[in-house]
Amino acid sequence: KQEVTQIPAALSVPEGENLVLNCSFTDSAIYNLQWFRQDPGKGLTSLLLIQSSQREQTSGRLNASLDKSSGRSTLYIAASQPGDSATYLCAVGGRIYGQNFVFGPGTRLSVLP
Amino acid sequence: NAGVTQTPKFRVLKTGQSMTLLCAQDMNHEYMYWYRQDPGMGLRLIHYSVGEGTTAKGEVPDGYNVSRLKKQNFLLGLESAAPSQTSVYFCASSYDEAAPYEQYFGPGTRLTVT
Repeated sequence: KQEVTQIPAALSVPEGENLVLNCSFTDSAIYNLQWFRQDPGKGLTSLLLIQSSQREQTSGRLNASLDKSSGRSTLYIAASQPGDSATYLCAVGGRIYGQNFVFGPGTRLSVLP
Repeated sequence: NAGVTQTPKFRVLKTGQSMTLLCAQDMNHEYMYWYRQDPGMGLRLIHYSVGEGTTAKGEVPDGYNVSRLKKQNFLLGLESAAPSQTSVYFCASSYDEAAPYEQYFGPGTRLTVT
């Protein structure tokens, strides 16, 4: 059974810092991996989707990498801003239940002004 | 283009009552999903559908039923609500037959069962 973990569970940084969020998964036979952002009381917003054949994806200040062999993905946020404060979730795509994702518990990020 | 919408946004039920949550998407996606989100446990898949008229069980299906009579709608039913079903429920949709592509989520329904 695929299991996804995220470290750290919570992170607090001053504005302007570069930071890395980690995602680990137990089964390397994945189709893709997706990073989401969730604001308090809101739904999930997709940030980046990495296909299993890709090593990384970039969007603005965000860069996500994927290392299937080691079962790891990282989300790099450059020059963090208070508006980046949210919970970040990674989800691993596979065929466990049809076509579905298994989610990690999330990392709660606070960027202090 | 509204994306994925969910109705209602909030609901309070008493134990034993029934209700139906509605999810609608206007992106012509084949795949639709119902998740529940509980503190410290992440999102867990309840049921999913790979096309109109099809449904299948996910990781935590007990106590829930679903129907996909129209491609754009996916309904989640609770026949006899229990306090353990207090949660935030999210619907999502995606497209592609070969692999799980990017999932689009609705805003969620916050359900409390007393």
